[in-house]
Amino acid sequence: DAKTTQPPSMDCAEGRAANLPCNHSTISGNEYVYWYRQIHSQGPQYIIHGLKNNETNEMASLIITEDRKSSTLILPHATLRDTAVYYCIVETGYALNFGKGTSLLVTP
Amino acid sequence: AAGVIQSPRHLIKEKRETATLKCYPIPRHDTVYWYQQGPGQDPQFLISFYEKMQSDKGSIPDRFSAQQFSDYHSELNMSSLELGDSALYFCASSSRAGGETQYFGPGTRLLVL
Repeated sequence: DAKTTQPPSMDCAEGRAANLPCNHSTISGNEYVYWYRQIHSQGPQYIIHGLKNNETNEMASLIITEDRKSSTLILPHATLRDTAVYYCIVETGYALNFGKGTSLLVTP
Repeated sequence: AAGVIQSPRHLIKEKRETATLKCYPIPRHDTVYWYQQGPGQDPQFLISFYEKMQSDKGSIPDRFSAQQFSDYHSELNMSSLELGDSALYFCASSSRAGGETQYFGPGTRLLVL
């Protein structure tokens, strides 16, 4: 699986959009980009995934660059409950390789 | 919607004892994954099963074994427990027909004294 690089931490004001970047420059053609988050010791929660097109669901939007070497997870209106570690994972349908993730702190 | 169920949620054992963790996947999911998350660490993949057969293996110690049963539930058996086995153990399930997205359970917190 391709390796991902994420900033270790980010802050976001409540109500603003949180944009979490991820680099995956070695991604191959059949690998999906998945985003999960983990709220303090709870089970990782699936957010969204995509292959090459941008995706949106009720939780977030995923923007994947045309060359697929990077992506951005967008939480459109962050709330305090969005404070968590966010993991960007590139995978081909097997085990998830959790990297270090981004610790997002949403502040009042 | 039904989620992944794990039991027990908390477990305390002594060194050298044995522990069994159970995972009940989302209905109609055929694949189960086990992950271990040590204190301050990120989840690490241990092992997975598809249709009751081992499908992938990660950094699972030889002291650990697992299986998936005919009703698709899975059990992780841990023997000769060590202090370093203290961790959160997560189970996830997915459906090959449903696109492989893994959904995680709440975890079992194991403390080895």
